Amino acid sequence: KNEVEQSPQNLTAQEGEFITINCSYSVGISALHWLQQHPGGGIVSLFMLSSGKKKHGRLIATINIQEKHSSLHITASHPRDSAVYICAVSPAGEKLTFGTGTRLTIIP
Amino acid sequence: EPEVTQTPSHQVTQMGQEVILRCVPISNHLYFYWYRQILGQKVEFLVSFYNNEISEKSEIFDDQFSVERPDGSNFTLKIRSTKLEDSAMYFCASRSLRTDTQYFGPGTRLTVL
Repeated sequence: KNEVEQSPQNLTAQEGEFITINCSYSVGISALHWLQQHPGGGIVSLFMLSSGKKKHGRLIATINIQEKHSSLHITASHPRDSAVYICAVSPAGEKLTFGTGTRLTIIP
Repeated sequence: EPEVTQTPSHQVTQMGQEVILRCVPISNHLYFYWYRQILGQKVEFLVSFYNNEISEKSEIFDDQFSVERPDGSNFTLKIRSTKLEDSAMYFCASRSLRTDTQYFGPGTRLTVL
């Protein structure tokens, strides 16, 4: 059974700061997903990674398969980035195992 | 952009009643999933569905739960006799053959009284 740990659980930062959220998992995977959950509850898929690094706008996600670790970075953070960020892992295309999430609050 | 839709957005029911949660996956997707999130807890996998049958289910998905794709577009989750502990947000997700990315619906908030 794969355990997924995220840190920190809560993060408050000033607008413009560089944000890093970490995720570790215990068992080898095929893919790691970063998801964003809005205050209303909806979930949006941000990235799916199996190796290396991906960038989308101000968001960057990296994964180190050997160390079973991934990071999500947000550059030039903005109050609209405030949300819960969730790491989830899967064998190829199968069910996701979720972390507990990191609640990010960006203060103007 | 195509999206997964779910209805209703909020369902309130009495304990012991049956509920059906509905999802319309993205039209060319072939894999379907139900997840749930109890308030304040992490999202949990319930069931995956492919080629008109369950491909995997969790220990949560007991005999009270069933899934169906009745008409080629809808994907439903039925809870036969709801319990208080079934109160949660239920998310449907779907994906295509070509990618592992799952697309989530907005969720149905189920409240069992």
